[in-house]
This record gives sequence, C-alpha cells and structure tokens, in this order.
Amino acid sequence: GNSVTQMEGPVTLSEEAFLTINCTYTATGYPSLFWYVQYPGEGLQLLLKATKADDKGSNKGFEATYRKETTSFHLEKGSVQVSDSAVYFCALSDFTGGGNKLTFGTGTQLKVEL
Amino acid sequence: DAGVIQSPRHEVTEMGQEVTLRCKPISGHNSLFWYRQTMMRGLELLIYFNNNVPIDDSGMPEDRFSAKMPNASFSTLKIQPSEPRDSAVYFCASSLEAGGTWGTEAFFGQGTRLTVV
Repeated sequence: GNSVTQMEGPVTLSEEAFLTINCTYTATGYPSLFWYVQYPGEGLQLLLKATKADDKGSNKGFEATYRKETTSFHLEKGSVQVSDSAVYFCALSDFTGGGNKLTFGTGTQLKVEL
Repeated sequence: DAGVIQSPRHEVTEMGQEVTLRCKPISGHNSLFWYRQTMMRGLELLIYFNNNVPIDDSGMPEDRFSAKMPNASFSTLKIQPSEPRDSAVYFCASSLEAGGTWGTEAFFGQGTRLTVV
C-alpha cells in the first residue's frame, strides 16, 4: 500500500534560518505529491504540489522537488519567518485501488523563534 | 465560495451518546473525505465518497461509526454510541476529480473538535 514518512518534529529554528523537512514515500502507482500546512486551530491548506517526476512545486518561498529515484519530496525554504510556525504534512495521491485518495505523513511541527 | 463548511466546530458529549458531525463540501466538487486527527495517530482517512457513493470505508474504526452522503452538498459522520477514545478533531475535505486528472487538491474544512467525557 501507499505510505509517507516524514521527519519527526518538533523542529525549532531561528528566524531567517534555512529549513528542510524530509519526506519519503512508498506508492504502488504513479503518485502526485503534496505539502499541506496546518496553522493552529485550522484545517489543512495546500502549500505546494508536484504531479510528476522532476517537477518542482513552489509557493510562498517554499520549494519541493519530486525525486522518483529516491522516492523523496523534501520541503525547503531559504529563510523562515515566525509566521511559518505551523505543522507541515507531506502527502501523496494516486488512483491505484480506486479514487484519488490522499495518504498523509505524521506531520512535522515547525517553530520559528526571533 | 465559502469553502468546506463543518458543524459544529466544537462538540462535548457524554459517553454513550450519539454524535453527528456535518459537512457541506465546496459546490461542484465530486469527492468527499472524512479524516480524524489525534496526537497518537496523526491524520487518518476514515471514508472516501465519490459522486455520493462510498468508495473506501476501510478506515472506519468500528461499527459505531457510520457516514452518509445523501446528496452532493451534504455529508454526515455519526458515532453511536460515543466513547472517550473517539475524542479527536474530525476533518471533512472535498475535491474535484475528473477522469485522468492527476494531482487534485483537497480542500479542508476547519474541523470539529469532539470531546467525549
């Protein structure tokens, strides 16, 4: 079956530091890959996505590249801000087994301090 | 569009009582998902509907849980009887799936925080 593994949190960084959150996946088909972000008390919001190998998704300074050879989709940002503090979820979807279901990783909490 | 709307936002109930959570997906979307989020298990997919038909309910934990989607604009998740271990945040999400479309984004509601005492 499908699965997503992401690095354990919490991750604590100083403002303007470089961020990497690792994500690897296992899928039986040809998945699309996503990063979602959850701010306190809210639902999940799509941050970025990539639908095929070597695609790079980007949004709000965050980037992730779909690496099929390493089955990875690591999230990066060059300079984090306090407002980036949230929980980040890596996810995949594919049509194997019927339907476009999302499989999520366990989430990584990011805390950015001044 | 108002987005995915869930109600209530918070629910506190006593063990053994019936609980019904409600969801209105985004108009025009044809897929609907119910997720449960807890500290221990993270985000779990409970059930997935496509065109109002349940496609995968393998994540529904027990017979105490049931979900319906009587029409394209409304879905319910019912727990009867409720137990303290059902305490969690329950999210509804919707998406638009078209044949052969990859990378469909799911839009999440703000969730219902359920506490069973």
